[in-house]
Amino acid sequence: AQSVTQLDSHVSVSEGTPVLLRCNYSSSYSPSLFWYVQHPNKGLQLLLKYTSAATLVKGINGFEAEFKKSETSFHLTKPSAHMSDAAEYFCVDRNYGQNFVFGPGTRLSVLP
Amino acid sequence: KAGVTQTPRYLIKTRGQQVTLSCSPISGHRSVSWYQQTPGQGLQFLFEYFSETQRNKGNFPGRFSGRQFSNSRSEMNVSTLELGDSALYLCASSLESGKTEAFFGQGTRLTVV
Repeated sequence: AQSVTQLDSHVSVSEGTPVLLRCNYSSSYSPSLFWYVQHPNKGLQLLLKYTSAATLVKGINGFEAEFKKSETSFHLTKPSAHMSDAAEYFCVDRNYGQNFVFGPGTRLSVLP
Repeated sequence: KAGVTQTPRYLIKTRGQQVTLSCSPISGHRSVSWYQQTPGQGLQFLFEYFSETQRNKGNFPGRFSGRQFSNSRSEMNVSTLELGDSALYLCASSLESGKTEAFFGQGTRLTVV
């Protein structure tokens, strides 16, 4: 069964410094990967998606992610963190005809 | 274009009661899926409906059921509520049941007392 691992349950960065949130997937097929963000008491908002067109995917709010098949990774990055980026981030895999498989989430804290 | 609408936003129910949650997907979307989110278990898949048919089902007891109407709106029902059913229930809407992204509603916060 497919699974998604997010290596850090909590990441803390200072405002203006880079963000790296790590994600590894286990699919043996070509995955369909997404990053979602959830602010407190809110639903999930799509940040970006990988659908095999390009390995480097740009999303909203300055986030981007790189798909590396050799490492089965899809890490999320942002060059400069903003206070408003503080939230929970979920890496998600979806196989055709299947439901979304969520990683456990990484809580991002941004310090002033 | 209106987003995914879930009603109600908040619910407080007593153990043993039943509850119905509603989800209106984005116009034109035919796939609706439901998720339960709790601090301990994270996001867990409940079920997915596509064109009024249940496509997939997660590992939840039969007390959890759902349906989808011809206009793609979906309802989720939980009978004989237990304290452990307290959670944020999220609905997601997709164009199709495939590799496309899903758009989530803001959720219904259910508290069972």
